[in-house]
Amino acid sequence: EAGVAQSPRYKIIEKRQSVAFWCNPISGHATLYWYQQILGQGPKLLIQFQNNGVVDDSQLPKDRFSAERLKGVDSTLKIQPAKLEDSAVYLCASRLTVMNTEAFFGQGTRLTVV
Amino acid sequence: AQSVTQLGSHVSVSEGALVLLRCNYSSSVPPYLFWYVQYPNQGLQLLLKYTSAATLVKGINGFEAEFKKSETSFHLTKPSAHMSDAAEYFCAVLNQAGTALIFGKGTTLSVSS
Repeated sequence: EAGVAQSPRYKIIEKRQSVAFWCNPISGHATLYWYQQILGQGPKLLIQFQNNGVVDDSQLPKDRFSAERLKGVDSTLKIQPAKLEDSAVYLCASRLTVMNTEAFFGQGTRLTVV
Repeated sequence: AQSVTQLGSHVSVSEGALVLLRCNYSSSVPPYLFWYVQYPNQGLQLLLKYTSAATLVKGINGFEAEFKKSETSFHLTKPSAHMSDAAEYFCAVLNQAGTALIFGKGTTLSVSS
């Protein structure tokens, strides 16, 4: 079974530029998450999708971050414009909709804003 | 609100020694608790989970954790550390809605020969 795929693995941009990350979840997983992991901290939930609808985006900085999940499969997370404090690893995870089942994580995209 | 606190950002042990990583939780409802491991430049991998069945939970790679309600703890242990156990370990709790994980800040485990 293929895992959660993310691209790119690494990205370096200048502040005020825009950037986009892509995630392909495990086939059949209706729930998709984007987490932000700042160096030295645990992952923090940014947004959760159930199929192509948003369940929770309360911690997403909506003035600069946006995310979509078209057709309930792949998802993209965009930052525009980026700030220095956005430097982090962005993790995508997916899960079956049944409660208590495991969430599977991708390898993440490491973003450096200079 | 649900939260977890990991005590000790860095733990160092010798190969063959006991591994003990501490996690305390705060929850307004019976918690579902998890331990994840993250190797360098990798995503998170589930080690084990507590879902209100047995209080002693066995996971992969010889790890286990015990749920203690009276102490609000869910500490991770392994009897004998291997060099390959060196990684970042995260304790997590399911949020109150049961829809997403809330993570602790993580503990880095170093293993020396």
